[in-house]
Amino acid sequence: EDKVVQSPLSLVVHEGDTVTLNCSYEVTNFRSLLWYKQEKKAPTFLFMLTSSGIEKKSGRLSSILDKKELFSILNITATQTGDSAVYLCAVYTNAGKSTFGDGTTLTVKP
Amino acid sequence: DAGITQSPRHKVTETGTPVTLRCHQTENHRYMYWYRQDPGHGLRLIHYSYGVKDTDKGEVSDGYSVSRSKTEDFLLTLESATSSQTSVYFCAISDLNGNYGYTFGSGTRLTVV
Repeated sequence: EDKVVQSPLSLVVHEGDTVTLNCSYEVTNFRSLLWYKQEKKAPTFLFMLTSSGIEKKSGRLSSILDKKELFSILNITATQTGDSAVYLCAVYTNAGKSTFGDGTTLTVKP
Repeated sequence: DAGITQSPRHKVTETGTPVTLRCHQTENHRYMYWYRQDPGHGLRLIHYSYGVKDTDKGEVSDGYSVSRSKTEDFLLTLESATSSQTSVYFCAISDLNGNYGYTFGSGTRLTVV
């Protein structure tokens, strides 16, 4: 059975802090790993990772994948209150299926 | 979200009644998905479609059926709703390779009483 585990489950930081969110996985026929941000409504796409060691970056957010150790991290630097959300990690397989982790709830306090 | 709409947005129904949720896309994407999201369980795949009339089960398909007669529409049916199916349902679409991840609809909040 495919499995995706995110840690920590929740995190409280202050503005300006740097955070690292973790995602480990065990899936058959891995195709890609995606990170999403979910506020009060639908998840929104952040990054898609398919190759090990290649960092994806968007502003203060960055992510990297390790296909040997089967994990990914999402970094957020200089956090802002607007970064408060649930961050979801999902792994997609060649069979077209996806498995989501339970998410990390990030709270950024002013 | 642009290009994908779900209806209804909210629904309250009684146990034992049939319910159909609709997902409509204007992106002409091949893949469409139905997820449910519950506290403590994240997003779980119910069914997905990889083309017109081509569907397959996800991890929590029991009690649900789907149909896709046109590229743009993917219907999720609860044949006989139960209280355990109270949830938020999301539809998502992706292109052939999922290069831009999934685009999610705004969700349907279903309450079965």
